[in-house]
Amino acid sequence: EIVMTQSPDTLSVAPGERATLSCRASQSVSTNLAWYQQKPGQAPRLLVYDASTRATDIPARFSGSGSGTEFTLTISSLQSEDFALYYCQQCHKWPPTFGQGTKVEIK
Amino acid sequence: EVRLVQSGGGLVQPGGSLRLSCAASGFTFRSHWMIWVRQAPGKGLEWVANMDQDGSDKTYVDSLKGRFTISRDNAKNSLYLQMNSLRADDTAVYYCARGLGRGSLDFWGQGTPVTVSS
Repeated sequence: EIVMTQSPDTLSVAPGERATLSCRASQSVSTNLAWYQQKPGQAPRLLVYDASTRATDIPARFSGSGSGTEFTLTISSLQSEDFALYYCQQCHKWPPTFGQGTKVEIK
Repeated sequence: EVRLVQSGGGLVQPGGSLRLSCAASGFTFRSHWMIWVRQAPGKGLEWVANMDQDGSDKTYVDSLKGRFTISRDNAKNSLYLQMNSLRADDTAVYYCARGLGRGSLDFWGQGTPVTVSS
């Protein structure tokens, strides 16, 4: 199966600053990659799919990029509600697999 | 508004069975493929199983084959997961989700905890 590795495990960012999260696939997944946000006690929420398409009602400060094996989720100016756990997921090859997550915390 | 409302979790002894349900509303349920995902305590997300729109195609993660069964009733707008021969390592929060495109999950249920313990 395709292994998804996210970095860093924890990212400390001040409100208003930019956050850059990385996701690497063990083999090419083309652009079949999604990003999710999860807050404690809540279900994940889809942010980006097809590597760079924002999901419905997702603010423009979230953007995804990349293809092949290297992907990035950028949050341009962190708001208080953005401090959460973020997962990437490949849906290129069965079984779909998730990264281990990156926690974005307040600096 | 799209809603997925889950029920059926709880505490079960090792070797026991449990059936999870996911009631959908706010969209044409029969037009979407559906998925179960789980999250063990303090861990990441794991794809469990998925089913296509009419229920003719179902796929499971290899490690769960033979113990879990995914099903749906389009007349009732509902998705199910029958879990048999449960083990301690099946302890997790189970989520139902709606599939988008190749495999993104655009709407999720609230999650239902399953604890396997004696």
